[in-house]
Amino acid sequence: AQTVTQSQPEMSVQEAETVTLSCTYDTSESDYYLFWYKQPPSRQMILVIRQEAYKQQNATENRFSVNFQKAAKSFSLKISDSQLGDAAMYFCAYRRGASGTYKYIFGTGTRLKVLA
Amino acid sequence: ETGVTQTPRHLVMGMTNKKSLKCEQHLGHNAMYWYKQSAKKPLELMFVYSLEERVENNSVPSRFSPECPNSSHLFLHLHTLQPEDSALYLCASSQAGAVYNEQFFGPGTRLTVL
Repeated sequence: AQTVTQSQPEMSVQEAETVTLSCTYDTSESDYYLFWYKQPPSRQMILVIRQEAYKQQNATENRFSVNFQKAAKSFSLKISDSQLGDAAMYFCAYRRGASGTYKYIFGTGTRLKVLA
Repeated sequence: ETGVTQTPRHLVMGMTNKKSLKCEQHLGHNAMYWYKQSAKKPLELMFVYSLEERVENNSVPSRFSPECPNSSHLFLHLHTLQPEDSALYLCASSQAGAVYNEQFFGPGTRLTVL
């Protein structure tokens, strides 16, 4: 069975600094998708970044980038130039690539605090 | 309204009550999901509907009953709940068949069972 592990329940970063959130997953599939979602306090969860397993190039969205290590089954999220609005729970998620697959596997989340 | 909306945002109910949670998506998606979010636990997928047909049902107790009358609306009917059912219930939608099939979430309903 697939699993997603986020080993850091909580992280802190100074404003304007860089922070990396860890995510590892376990799967025997070769075709899958990985996602990072952000859930600010009392606000809805939004997609931050996504990666297709077949793409070797790491995804980037503005200040957010990933380090995708397929062999190591690692999918870490790097936030550069951290801002107060980045404070949130961050969830890593996995989905099999097979057509008709709806099930996402989520990690337990990492709470990110941004210090002014 | 835009995105995915959920009502009510907060709900307090007794163990003998019957209530319903409502979700509406304004994104033209064809799949909708119910999740349960409890502290320090991964999101638990409860139900998935694709093209108004239930395609996933993850061993959810029968006191939770989903309904999907059309591709834009999803309900979760609740009856005889237990205190351990208190959680944030999230609705999501996606476009099944799209490359990433990424999910878009609603704000959730905070449910408290007394």
